[in-house]
Amino acid sequence: EDQVTQSPEALRLQEGESSSLNCSYTVSGLRGLFWYRQDPGKGPEFLFTLYSAGEEKEKERLKATLTKKESFLHITAPKPEDSATYLCAVQKTDKLIFGTGTRLQVFP
Amino acid sequence: KAGVTQTPRYLIKTRGQQVTLSCSPISGHRSVSWYQQTPGQGLQFLFEYFSETQRNKGNFPGRFSGRQFSNSRSEMNVSTLELGDSALYLCASNTGGGTEQFFGPGTRLTVL
Repeated sequence: EDQVTQSPEALRLQEGESSSLNCSYTVSGLRGLFWYRQDPGKGPEFLFTLYSAGEEKEKERLKATLTKKESFLHITAPKPEDSATYLCAVQKTDKLIFGTGTRLQVFP
Repeated sequence: KAGVTQTPRYLIKTRGQQVTLSCSPISGHRSVSWYQQTPGQGLQFLFEYFSETQRNKGNFPGRFSGRQFSNSRSEMNVSTLELGDSALYLCASNTGGGTEQFFGPGTRLTVL
């Protein structure tokens, strides 16, 4: 069965304390892996697309990496404005299969 | 470039009623997908339309239906509403070539 699992479910960090979020998947016919950020009451905001193992993408304090079975979202020196839910999704045909997300809180 | 827009943003209905939600994709995007987001189940795929044809469908009952118009705008309909249909309904668009999807702000549906 196609499945996307994110861990941890929730993460509390002090400002400046770097960490990583994990997304593991068992999906046949993978066409891409996506990371989104979602703020309360809003739609997900696109962050990254990864297509093949070994690929890395960076944007400000975020870096996403991909292996054959999982992806990591590394957050370096986070700030309070990075607080949000981070969603991982795997593309199969033309639909996205989402994980349940990691709720990140960064406090000063 | 304007983003994906959804109307209405909030909706309150009672059990047994029906509801229609609207989505306008980013200009030039021909694919529109719909998702249901709830605290317990997360984001779940409902269906996807491309050039007015449904290309993919998720595991939802037939009460959930949709359509797409020639200008790529899409509507989603839910008939005979149940309490469990309360959720954030999200629409996403892309060019249709398997690229990243861009989401709208969602319609918050509450069923009483």
